[in-house]
Amino acid sequence: QSALTQPRSVSGSPGQSVTISCTGTSSDVGGYNYVSWYQQHPGKAPKLMIYVVTQRPSGVPDRFSGSKSGNTASLTISGLRAEDEADYYCCSFAGSNILVFGGGTKLTVL
Amino acid sequence: EVQLLESGGGSVQPGGSLRLSCAASGFTFSTYWMHWVRQAPGKGLVWVSRITSDVNVTNYADSVKGRFTISRDNAKNTLYLQMNSLRAEDTAVYYCARGFSSGADLWGRGTLVTVSS
Repeated sequence: QSALTQPRSVSGSPGQSVTISCTGTSSDVGGYNYVSWYQQHPGKAPKLMIYVVTQRPSGVPDRFSGSKSGNTASLTISGLRAEDEADYYCCSFAGSNILVFGGGTKLTVL
Repeated sequence: EVQLLESGGGSVQPGGSLRLSCAASGFTFSTYWMHWVRQAPGKGLVWVSRITSDVNVTNYADSVKGRFTISRDNAKNTLYLQMNSLRAEDTAVYYCARGFSSGADLWGRGTLVTVSS
């Protein structure tokens, strides 16, 4: 049950696009199409942004998109806005009904 | 309103026990799998445990297996986490979350558990 690997931080200017990667193994990210992404503002509960790799829940702007290639999933945020500044976590099903999270990525909007 | 509300956190000595509760409202609790996820101060999210909706199949992270027990009372719309043999490294905010496509689409605000002598 090792954590998925995410960059500790990424940054971008308003209007730009950023991509956050999430690397696992064939036992988690690479083995299942059950990757989800969460946004967490300081002191707040996490919020689901992407599920089953590419799907957005109702109410999540289409500026947020997800993808996967092999053992690496990615979250892309286009048209960056100040309110996107937050921590982002990936999560994958890891077999045997276990979930595993990434270590988190701090997004700074410059 | 659709929401989850955790309670039961607090300070406890190493080796002690604590029982967390999570009250669900605004949705049909009995039809959803439920999770506990924790977050140590300044650290990332860590999945702790999961329980199915009806037959109560449970799973645990290795770090809590044998010490923590997840359960639910569908009649009371409540999820529980019994935590025994607590260690300093169990100090965290504990969130309950509603299962959705092997993720979680609804989260509570969390309850803080501090294990310290």
